Amino acid sequence: DMKVTQMPRYLIKRMGENVLLECGQDMSHETMYWYRQDPGLGLQLIYISYDVDSNSEGDIPKGYRVSRKKREHFSLILDSAKTNQTSVYFCAVDRGLRAEQFFGPGTRLTVL
Amino acid sequence: GDQVEQSPSALSLHEGTGSALRCNFTTTMRAVQWFQQNSRGSLINLFYLASGTKENGRLKSTFNSKESYSTLHIRDAQLEDSGTYFCAAEAGGNEKITFGAGTKLTIKP
Repeated sequence: DMKVTQMPRYLIKRMGENVLLECGQDMSHETMYWYRQDPGLGLQLIYISYDVDSNSEGDIPKGYRVSRKKREHFSLILDSAKTNQTSVYFCAVDRGLRAEQFFGPGTRLTVL
Repeated sequence: GDQVEQSPSALSLHEGTGSALRCNFTTTMRAVQWFQQNSRGSLINLFYLASGTKENGRLKSTFNSKESYSTLHIRDAQLEDSGTYFCAAEAGGNEKITFGAGTKLTIKP
């Protein structure tokens, strides 16, 4: 089975600090995603990456940017983090020709 | 508006019993996935369906794209089945999936 990793698993930052969340896959699948999950809600799509340097906004991109310089790695960046960006962030990988997604373990981010 | 409506929002079952979870779609969906989010927060893939019915152990899922719904049936529920179950559906063409709000399932001894 494919493995999706996320680092770090837990992170506490102060408002205004920069945040870097990393996601990796052990295969070479093209499409990767970043989501956030807030209590009582499903997952909300932040960004999609269709391949290296081919990124597209999701439903809630404001306040976030992404970077994909290698197919195996997809980064989520918060420039000047805000308290309302406290959330659990999930990375996902689309395994192939259909939109079947596999998720990493999540990163719990707290912005104080 | 919301494209994926999931029900019930919460469900409590005794061990050994069963029930069904449902997702209704307000637009035509090409495929649906079901996930279990366990107590550690991990999202576990249960099913991917483009049509029809799939079964895996005590779980069975159906996707009817024409009538715009999908169901997840659990039988002989066990304590480890507790968690939140999400459906997520793809409308087609852009590799995006939309999640339902989830069903929180509690299994009681």
